[in-house]
Amino acid sequence: EPEVTQTPSHQVTQMGQEVILRCVPISNHLYFYWYRQILGQKVEFLVSFYNNEISEKSEIFDDQFSVERPDGSNFTLKIRSTKLEDSAMYFCASRGTLQGADTQYFGPGTRLTVL
Amino acid sequence: GNSVTQMEGPVTLSEEAFLTINCTYTATGYPSLFWYVQYPGEGLQLLLKATKADDKGSNKGFEATYRKETTSFHLEKGSVQVSDSAVYFCALILSGGYNKLIFGAGTRLAVHP
Repeated sequence: EPEVTQTPSHQVTQMGQEVILRCVPISNHLYFYWYRQILGQKVEFLVSFYNNEISEKSEIFDDQFSVERPDGSNFTLKIRSTKLEDSAMYFCASRGTLQGADTQYFGPGTRLTVL
Repeated sequence: GNSVTQMEGPVTLSEEAFLTINCTYTATGYPSLFWYVQYPGEGLQLLLKATKADDKGSNKGFEATYRKETTSFHLEKGSVQVSDSAVYFCALILSGGYNKLIFGAGTRLAVHP
């Protein structure tokens, strides 16, 4: 069964450093998402992406964050200058269509630890 | 605003016990409702979904019925197994073209032999 993959599984970085989290969505999917889960809290929407542009973003997704689909397979989340509060599990997801109940398929997540 | 509220965990059960995890929502319009499950060390997997009132989603012995009158989508299973131990997330997608999932806090289930 096709699956979403994410690398690395765990990233440790120093405050102020840039990090790039990588995702490979399911190959024929067109809609891509990033979510995050701070330890002990809810899974929160960050951003959605379609046709090489952001379709929606949350208040969390400020100027420090950016997303990119640099080629036909990868989907990346960049945090330019990490803060302690960016420590969280980051999940990538993809879906094939925009129908409301169409399934979003999630990757296993990247745990980001900012020291 | 739009939100999902789940019962707090952890829920600890013996094998073959009956499971209920409560989920209620607040939303404008007519959302689609989902249960996702996260097994240890893995990502979120769709367990079941329902797209309109009175629909029942079911999968792997789990069921949930979309109740518009009580704005609820409670997850049930008649006989849990140790392998069902995981974190369960209730979520919604708003109608009208929105496409982000809004999650509840998650409920951890631990099933003992």
